[in-house]
Amino acid sequence: EVQLLESGGDLVQPGGSLRLSCAASGFTFSSYAMSWVRQAPGKGLEWFSAIIGSGASTYYADSVKGRFTISRDNSKNTLYLQMNSLRAEDTAVYYCAKDLSNWDLLFDYWGQGTLVTVSS
Amino acid sequence: EVVMTQSPATLSVSPGERGTLSCRASQTVNSKLAWYQQKPGQAPRLLIYAASTRATGIPARFSGSGSGTEFTLTISSLQSEDFALYYCQQYNVWPPGFGGGTKVEIK
Repeated sequence: EVQLLESGGDLVQPGGSLRLSCAASGFTFSSYAMSWVRQAPGKGLEWFSAIIGSGASTYYADSVKGRFTISRDNSKNTLYLQMNSLRAEDTAVYYCAKDLSNWDLLFDYWGQGTLVTVSS
Repeated sequence: EVVMTQSPATLSVSPGERGTLSCRASQTVNSKLAWYQQKPGQAPRLLIYAASTRATGIPARFSGSGSGTEFTLTISSLQSEDFALYYCQQYNVWPPGFGGGTKVEIK
C-alpha cells in the first residue's frame, strides 16, 4: 500500500525558514517523480515544485522560485522541501504527491498534508 | 500559463440524481486532463486521468469526457459519499494547473 507522510509544518515568522519532509512507502520511490502541492486556507490547489526520480532535475513555479528547494534522498525514501524567506501568502497545507508514472505531473497518491502558518 | 475554469462553483443535487461538472482550459490541453475529489480535511483523490480513464478503484458512476479545451465529469447517480469538492487539472502545458473547484452539495 502506497503511503506518503508529511511532517515539519509549523508556525513561523515572516522571513523565516522551515523544512518539510515526506516519508514514502509501498512503491519504488526512486522510479517516480514527486511534487509538492499546496492549498491556502479555503482556497484551491497550487502545484509549485517537482523533482524527477533520480533527483537530477527540479522544477518550480514562479511563486516559489529562488526561495524554496525541493530535494530527495532515495536511500531513505524521503522527499524534502526547504522553504526560505517565507511570506504570509505561503500559509497553506502542503501536500507531497506521487506522479502516476515517471513524469506526468499527474498525481495518483497524496499525503495527508502538513500545515505551514507564516505569521508574526 | 493555461487557466482552468470550472463551472458551476456550486452544484446542488439530490442523492440518486446525475451531476455534471464542467472544466474549460484557456488553450488546448489535448486529453491531458485529470479530475480529483477532495473531502473536508482530506487530501485530494485522483478520479479520472487522460480525460476519461478512471483511476484504480474509482466506481463506474464517475465518468469523464472531452478533449482540447472542454471537459466534463459526470456522476451518474450521486451517493452520499460523493458530496465533496472536485478539481480539474491539466498536465499538458507547463506549469501544471488546477481549476478553482466545484462544490457538489446536497440539494
